[in-house]
Amino acid sequence: KNEVEQSPQNLTAQEGEFITINCSYSVGISALHWLQQHPGGGIVSLFMLSSGKKKHGRLIATINIQEKHSSLHITASHPRDSAVYICAVSLDSNYQLIWGAGTKLIIKP
Amino acid sequence: SQTIHQWPATLVQPVGSPLSLECTVEGTSNPNLYWYRQAAGRGLQLLFYSVGIGQISSEVPQNLSASRPQDRQFILSSKKLLLSDSGFYLCAWDLTASNEQFFGPGTRLTVL
Repeated sequence: KNEVEQSPQNLTAQEGEFITINCSYSVGISALHWLQQHPGGGIVSLFMLSSGKKKHGRLIATINIQEKHSSLHITASHPRDSAVYICAVSLDSNYQLIWGAGTKLIIKP
Repeated sequence: SQTIHQWPATLVQPVGSPLSLECTVEGTSNPNLYWYRQAAGRGLQLLFYSVGIGQISSEVPQNLSASRPQDRQFILSSKKLLLSDSGFYLCAWDLTASNEQFFGPGTRLTVL
């Protein structure tokens, strides 16, 4: 079993829909990261959080430490949101990030 | 502000040829530096990380090596490329106090 599990693996939605991507982890963490990878390959860090909720524009990330679960939400989705969204966790003990497999999101106009 | 550079952006090399990918960071001191590889359709795999000049940790046995000759320079090398070395290579940096990693633009390597 992977230490970081994302769901769904693939998601196709219509423009304007509310999107939720989930991430569950099974290890002790110091922080959880949500990142976005566009088709060209570049990766951008969206959020780093260790508790509660963060919001940036139409993106919202939440984390429940007790349940070891995080969600990334996109409100009023747009075709330009199409990308792979990756969840990763920083361990308590070392420098490594443990990566989820990613969720490929396609928003159709 | 901090920036991270990688070059080249794309590279096509024959099997058995050498490789050198370079990553440099500007605007920060004593960063932790990372090399990741992403094979086609797969997630990111940590190859090497470095917490200081000359200090390299390898995560997986492989055909590649890394060096850190200067504080903000990280080099990924191979003496003889294999077909399986094809992929997208990303350099990243963070500071020990913060955990948040910042990624370079990546190098897409195709080994033929």
